Amino acid sequence: DVVLTQTPPTLSATIGQSVSISCRSSQSLLHSNGNTYLHWLLQRPGQSPQLLIYLVSRLESGVPNRFSGSGSGTDFTLKISGVEAEDLGVYYCVQGTHAHTFGAGTKLELK
Amino acid sequence: QVQLKETGPGLVQPTQTLSITCTVSGFSLTSYYMQWVRQTPGKGLEWMGFIRSGGSTEYNSEFKSRLSISRDTSKNQVFLKMNSLKTEDTGVYYCARGYFDFWGPGTMVTVSS
Repeated sequence: DVVLTQTPPTLSATIGQSVSISCRSSQSLLHSNGNTYLHWLLQRPGQSPQLLIYLVSRLESGVPNRFSGSGSGTDFTLKISGVEAEDLGVYYCVQGTHAHTFGAGTKLELK
Repeated sequence: QVQLKETGPGLVQPTQTLSITCTVSGFSLTSYYMQWVRQTPGKGLEWMGFIRSGGSTEYNSEFKSRLSISRDTSKNQVFLKMNSLKTEDTGVYYCARGYFDFWGPGTMVTVSS
């Protein structure tokens, strides 16, 4: 089974600071059809997760463009360029190339 | 607009069967995969399985022997059934669409006698 390792587990940031979260896969997530099924979600306290980025780098409709995704193969990164208060919560990467697996999450909190 | 809502029993006894219904609106089940995901204190977010737009299914091997996903397209409903429940199955159960672009609010399931 594919394991997704997210780092760091906790991230403390000030408003306006830029931060990055890493998601490393135990296997390449490049599918034989050419797509890489790696997505990023945010779960705010008390809410369901919401999709931020899909297929590595595509911004979901309605998501602010301070969020960006990059990477390939086994290494992926979510970047937030200028954290805002509404960004606090737990970020998850999820892969859909080999069945589906979620990362353990990265909690973003205010410093 | 797109909406999903899970309906479950709340409390289930150990060894019994869990049944949850996901009712959707704003899109067709014949056009999208539908996923089931649960969130437990012990394991965080866990993918359970999905049903494809064509009706075939795929399951997480951890649940495969006791999990079944089905649907009724005429009622816009997707169903999760899991048997032989244990206390570790306590958590919030979500349905989500496709690439996880829409989620239901989740339904809390407590497994306890």
